[in-house]
Formats: sequence, structure tokens, C-alpha cells
Amino acid sequence: EMQLVESGGGLVTPGGSLRLSCAASGFPFSTYTMNWVRQPPGKGLEWVSSIGPSNTDIFHADSVKGRFTISRDDAKSSLYLQMNSLRAEDTAVYYCARQGGAGQFDYWGQGTLVTVSS
Amino acid sequence: EIVLTQSPGTLSLSPGERATLSCRASQSVNSNYLAWYQQKPGQAPRLLIYGASSRATSIADRFSGSGSGTDFTLTISRLEPEDFAVYYCQEHGSSARNTFGQGTKLEI
Repeated sequence: EMQLVESGGGLVTPGGSLRLSCAASGFPFSTYTMNWVRQPPGKGLEWVSSIGPSNTDIFHADSVKGRFTISRDDAKSSLYLQMNSLRAEDTAVYYCARQGGAGQFDYWGQGTLVTVSS
Repeated sequence: EIVLTQSPGTLSLSPGERATLSCRASQSVNSNYLAWYQQKPGQAPRLLIYGASSRATSIADRFSGSGSGTDFTLTISRLEPEDFAVYYCQEHGSSARNTFGQGTKLEI
């Protein structure tokens, strides 16, 4: 069975850092583009970052560029998001999502909540 | 940068009725890269439609997608109680950028 399990969320003060992880299982992780998508409380979805197979084709949304870094460890079937210089507006549930060949997000994790507050 | 505008913001219907949700792009979109998602409270989004009109695995055939260029539609032919949720469209654009619409809430 395919699974994506996020961890690492929590409460952090503005300007702080946090590293999110996503453990994948049930599919050939190394062959897929993986993404982070976030959702502020009560609001819509926002794509954050994507990374292609073999750490190629890394992209970040303008809202997080220079502050967030996406990476992957194919040996561990894991996806990461290093978040630095966190702001209140980064408060959201962060989802790990697999991307299919037509750009669709076909599998999602359950999400991990990041709260940036003093 | 493409902007996706969904309408209406909220749609109030009853079980058994037909629902038509719209997603309009600020510029022409490659229909191969247009998807629709359903999200229920406290849950992750679920893929319904990709490539504008292809149903994802295990999605009921009452869900259908259509459209091209700048105008796309998600249709639910006969609403079931479990269909009341928020629906998002998404475009996978150049340079691997991804854009979501703001969502349509389908309520009873």
C-alpha cells in the first residue's frame, strides 16, 4: 500500500528554523517528482516546492525562495523541507505529495502542522 | 504567472442534483496539465481528475471534467451526500510551477 507520512511540524518563533520529513513507501520513490504543498488554517492550497528524480529540477514558489530548501534521500525513500527565517505567514499544514506524469498530485500524506508564533 | 479563478465560491445544492464547477485561467493552459481535487474537513486533498478529463483511480463515474484553453469545468452528475466538500483546480505549468484555484465549497 502506498503511504506518505510527514513529520517534524510544531511551534516555532518568527525567524526560527524547522525541518520537515516525509517517509514514503509502497512505490518506487526514486523515480517520481515529489512536492510540498501547504494550506494555511481555513484557507486554500499553495504549492511550495518540487524536486525531480535524482535531485534534479528543483523549484520553489516565490514566497519561500531563498528561505526554504527541498531535498530527498532516495536510499531512505524520504523527502525533506528545510525551512529557515520562518514568518507568521508560513503557518500552515504542510503536505507531502507525489506528482504524476501529467503534473497531477496523485498521492498525498496526512500533513504536518507548522505554527510560527511568538 | 497563471491565475486560476474558481466560481462560484460557494455552491448550495441538494443530493441528487447536478453540480457544475468552473475554473478559469488568466491565460491559456495546456489541458494535459489541468487537475481537480476534492478536500473534506481535516483530510488531505484527493485527486479526482487529471489531464482535464481523465478520472483518477477509484473515482466514481459521476465525476467528469471538461474544457480547454482558459475554461475548465468539473461536473458531478448526481450529488451523493459524501460529495459535499471543497473542490480545487490545479495547473502544472512551465518550469514545473504549480498553481491552485482558490476553491469552491459545495454545500448542502
